Amino acid sequence: SYVLAQPPSVSVAPGQTASITCGGNNIGYKSVHWYQQRPGQAPVVVVYDDSDRPSGIPERFSGSSSGNTATLTISRVEAGDEADYYCQVWDSSSDHQVFGGGTKLTVL
Amino acid sequence: QVPLVESGGGVVQPGRSLRLSCAASGFTFSSFAMHWVRQAPGKGLEWVALISFDGRNKYYADSVKGRFTVSRDNSKNTLYLQMNSLRAEDTAVYYCASSMIPLWSPFDYWGQGTLVTVSS
Repeated sequence: SYVLAQPPSVSVAPGQTASITCGGNNIGYKSVHWYQQRPGQAPVVVVYDDSDRPSGIPERFSGSSSGNTATLTISRVEAGDEADYYCQVWDSSSDHQVFGGGTKLTVL
Repeated sequence: QVPLVESGGGVVQPGRSLRLSCAASGFTFSSFAMHWVRQAPGKGLEWVALISFDGRNKYYADSVKGRFTVSRDNSKNTLYLQMNSLRAEDTAVYYCASSMIPLWSPFDYWGQGTLVTVSS
């Protein structure tokens, strides 16, 4: 089955840039989506189709994907960005939706 | 108005059954694929099941295949998850979520979740 690998945690100071990676075999050929989940809340999509942003999501959130790695980048990090972030793809080989293990973003 | 509201969670003994519901409002339910996603306490997200917009196609995670059944009633704007032979490892918050066609579309709307606890 298809596996997505994320670092368990990333820490960044306010105002700096956070990068969260998502590794998967030839992930560059798939549409990658990123979700933010704050404690006690449902996930919210922050980037879809590798690099598109839903309405209402700040421009500080951006995404890219190539080869075996997709990346969510959060610029000018704010305290309110502290949350868990998950990448997700559709694996057509298994007809399964797949989530990464999640990355906890800590704002120092 | 919250677009998706789950119900039916609770405490159930191992081996028993439970049916979850997800009521949709504020969007054209019959045009969207629907999913169940779960999250065990302190753990990450796990996709459980997907049903196509017309209910004809269904897909399941290996961990629930043969025990769980997803269905929908577009006339009632409601999604269901019938869970049989429940195990302790099925304990989780269960979310319903919607996505557009095609299957690789993101999950755009999510409910707030309903907690299922499997324990004797």
